[in-house]
Amino acid sequence: GQNIDQPTEMTATEGAIVQINCTYQTSGFNGLFWYQQHAGEAPTFLSYNVLDGLEEKGRFSSFLSRSKGYSYLLLKELQMKDSASYLCAVRDDKIIFGKGTRLHILP
Amino acid sequence: DVKVTQSSRYLVKRTGEKVFLECVQDMDHENMFWYRQDPGLGLRLIYFSYDVKMKEKGDIPEGYSVSREKKERFSLILESASTNQTSMYLCASRTTGTEAFFGQGTRLTVV
Repeated sequence: GQNIDQPTEMTATEGAIVQINCTYQTSGFNGLFWYQQHAGEAPTFLSYNVLDGLEEKGRFSSFLSRSKGYSYLLLKELQMKDSASYLCAVRDDKIIFGKGTRLHILP
Repeated sequence: DVKVTQSSRYLVKRTGEKVFLECVQDMDHENMFWYRQDPGLGLRLIYFSYDVKMKEKGDIPEGYSVSREKKERFSLILESASTNQTSMYLCASRTTGTEAFFGQGTRLTVV
């Protein structure tokens, strides 16, 4: 079966660092995406990992361990505009999403 | 820039009506997807398509069908709308080596 798990909600403080974890069990694997989604809007692409290791893109980094079925999204220097849902998605022959993590940023 | 356009942002339909949701992409992408998004359930895949006239069931295809007569257009059809199909519907497209690009979403209410 397909299973993608991530925490439902997280809270962090402006200026801090937060790590959002994602574990997956899927029948196939061709890469893992992270998306950001603000309330009422469509998801927007953040990162894509296909090989093990860390991908850094500005304040956002994403890590993948294929042997552990594990990824995380790291957000640094948090800003109020980072308040959003963060979606982990796995690609095999299609793209399957986790339920998303709603991140609240406190001033 | 890739553009994925859904025909309506908001739609209200009556129970039993046949409903068409249209999605058009302008980047010649082979793969297109229809998801619905509900609070607490996340994005769930309804149908996807690898190419023209090809379609595959996703995780929740019951009550839906799709049509892909042209590469740029992927239509989701609710044969007989029911209140439990009230949801946000999101279309996406991608090609090899790229992420999925999403349309702006259609919020469908069935009354």
